[in-house]
Amino acid sequence: DADVTQTPRNRITKTGKRIMLECSQTKGHDRMYWYRQDPGLGLRLIYYSFDVKDINKGEISDGYSVSRQAQAKFSLSLESAIPNQTALYFCATRDGDWDTQYFGPGTRLTVL
Amino acid sequence: AQKVTQAQTEISVVEKEDVTLDCVYETRDTTYYLFWYKQPPSGELVFLIRRNSFDEQNEISGRYSWNFQKSTSSFNFTITASQVVDSAVYFCALSEGRHSNSGYALNFGKGTSLLVTP
Repeated sequence: DADVTQTPRNRITKTGKRIMLECSQTKGHDRMYWYRQDPGLGLRLIYYSFDVKDINKGEISDGYSVSRQAQAKFSLSLESAIPNQTALYFCATRDGDWDTQYFGPGTRLTVL
Repeated sequence: AQKVTQAQTEISVVEKEDVTLDCVYETRDTTYYLFWYKQPPSGELVFLIRRNSFDEQNEISGRYSWNFQKSTSSFNFTITASQVVDSAVYFCALSEGRHSNSGYALNFGKGTSLLVTP
């Protein structure tokens, strides 16, 4: 089984809808991250969390919120989806400050 | 400001050619880490290498090699005798410490798309 899983893998939704992307990990890591990938722009940080009680905004947090339900689960919500949030979303985990980040398979989100 | 620059947007080579992907970074930290990830057409991100700022030794892993030069703030990646399966987007990334306000998150370059044709 994969160490970092994301659900759903693909989602098409309409403008204005609320949507939640979920991330689960079995690596036992405290640090979790949400990134967004747009064509030609690389990955950009949305939110990150060092533990259940520590959640922080990243570079592009506007329009997003997160929830760290447990050490192993980190969810990303779009309260009212808009078309420019169409992107590939990645969850990642890492053990220590400098350790390698391990990525989930990604969720492809389309907002119509 | 972009902290990681991958100037080559797309590269196309014929199988068995050697190819070098450039990466230039910018940081005020003395302690930092550099990474390379591969994203094949299937979309997942595959970790390739991690290098800390105090280790300037070049590294070779099979057909892959990395040249880290602090003097030029570069961390270039070379694929020797390229194969069709090497076709992917390759990302260079930087993780900073003291000057990071993003929890040691990765700052990614925009990626280089490599196409290897038979």
